[in-house]
Amino acid sequence: AQTVTQSQPEMSVQEAETVTLSCTYDTSESNYYLFWYKQPPSRQMILVIRQEAYKQQNATENRFSVNFQKAAKSFSLKISDSQLGDTAMYFCAFGSQDNDMRFGAGTRLTVKP
Amino acid sequence: NAGVTQTPKFRILKIGQSMTLQCTQDMNHNYMYWYRQDPGMGLKLIYYSVGAGITDKGEVPNGYNVSRSTTEDFPLRLELAAPSQTSVYFCASRAGWGATSGSYTFGSGTRLTVV
Repeated sequence: AQTVTQSQPEMSVQEAETVTLSCTYDTSESNYYLFWYKQPPSRQMILVIRQEAYKQQNATENRFSVNFQKAAKSFSLKISDSQLGDTAMYFCAFGSQDNDMRFGAGTRLTVKP
Repeated sequence: NAGVTQTPKFRILKIGQSMTLQCTQDMNHNYMYWYRQDPGMGLKLIYYSVGAGITDKGEVPNGYNVSRSTTEDFPLRLELAAPSQTSVYFCASRAGWGATSGSYTFGSGTRLTVV
């Protein structure tokens, strides 16, 4: 079974600085997708970034980028120029055609002014 | 675009009562899901559906039932509510896997308390 592990329950960062959230996963599949979702206090789940496993190039979305290491089964999220609005729970998730999305336990990120 | 709509947003149930959480999507997605999120935890899959008339169990199906009579609607039924079912419930949908799909669209969640 697929598992997703986020080993950092909580993190904090100063506004305008860079922070990296870690995620590892376990799977025997070769074709899958990885996601980072943001959950602010409003509770809404918001897609931050997605990565297809067959792509070697790391995905980027504005201030958000990933470091995808397929052999190591690692998928970290880097947030550059952190903003107060980035304060939220961040969930790493794994999905594939044969298995539906599995989530990590989350990392609570606080951006300090 | 309404996306995924869940109702109600909040509900308090007494032990042993039953209720249905409603979920509707207007994106013509075949795949729909119900997750629960316990405090400080990630999301766990309760039930899912790959199309109208087809449903299957996820990780934590006990105490719940679902139906999928139309593409748009995927209600979750709680029978004989128990305190262990106190949680936030999310409905989600997605199109098929592909270059621009695969990611889920989530509803805004239902906070359920069983007392």
